[in-house]
Amino acid sequence: TQLLEQSPQFLSIQEGENLTVYCNSSSVFSSLQWYRQEPGEGPVLLVTVVTGGEVKKLKRLTFQFGDARKDSSLHITAAQPGDTGLYLCAGGLPGSARQLTFGSGTQLTVLP
Amino acid sequence: GAGVSQSPSNKVTEKGKDVELRCDPISGHTALYWYRQSLGQGLEFLIYFQGNSAPDKSGLPSDRFSAERTGGSVSTLTIQRTQQEDSAVYLCASRRAGAGNTIYFGEGSWLTVV
Repeated sequence: TQLLEQSPQFLSIQEGENLTVYCNSSSVFSSLQWYRQEPGEGPVLLVTVVTGGEVKKLKRLTFQFGDARKDSSLHITAAQPGDTGLYLCAGGLPGSARQLTFGSGTQLTVLP
Repeated sequence: GAGVSQSPSNKVTEKGKDVELRCDPISGHTALYWYRQSLGQGLEFLIYFQGNSAPDKSGLPSDRFSAERTGGSVSTLTIQRTQQEDSAVYLCASRRAGAGNTIYFGEGSWLTVV
């Protein structure tokens, strides 16, 4: 059983469209991170959110942490082919030495 | 070094052989993680080292898997008597003390067991 569930698992859209990826859990996290991974590379950190209700923007990407700190969303406006990749959310569990639990990922393909 | 370095980047081995994967973390980073990732999937936690504390080995899938970290720096993940289901990308990551949860990943070692 995944502690963090991501949806959708796969998403294929045309350039210029908007999309939202969701990361949900029944657990409360002290923080939540989003990573993007391209083929043959390790995941690269995009953002960290720590406060319930927090919204962060990174160019065309908008990240939101749920009020109860159990879920998060990533919204991309006017997607571009360069946004293609595997998007992973990762939650920091309070008091856990591991500190990060990863979701199953969303594979995004943006077609030109 | 500037980033987390892993070697080999690709390894093909025969079923039943032992393999060693190496991770050189970012200099000064006290925490080191190993994760496993199957094709296009999320990351499966394997083991976590933090300074001189006993490692958290709770993610190792079987006793064929082991890892050590020498001198608080370089780590080696060893898989004995490899099986085909061990084929995956093995990712190493490190984190600086006091940096919250921000970890930095290497590019991974792609293991194929034939």
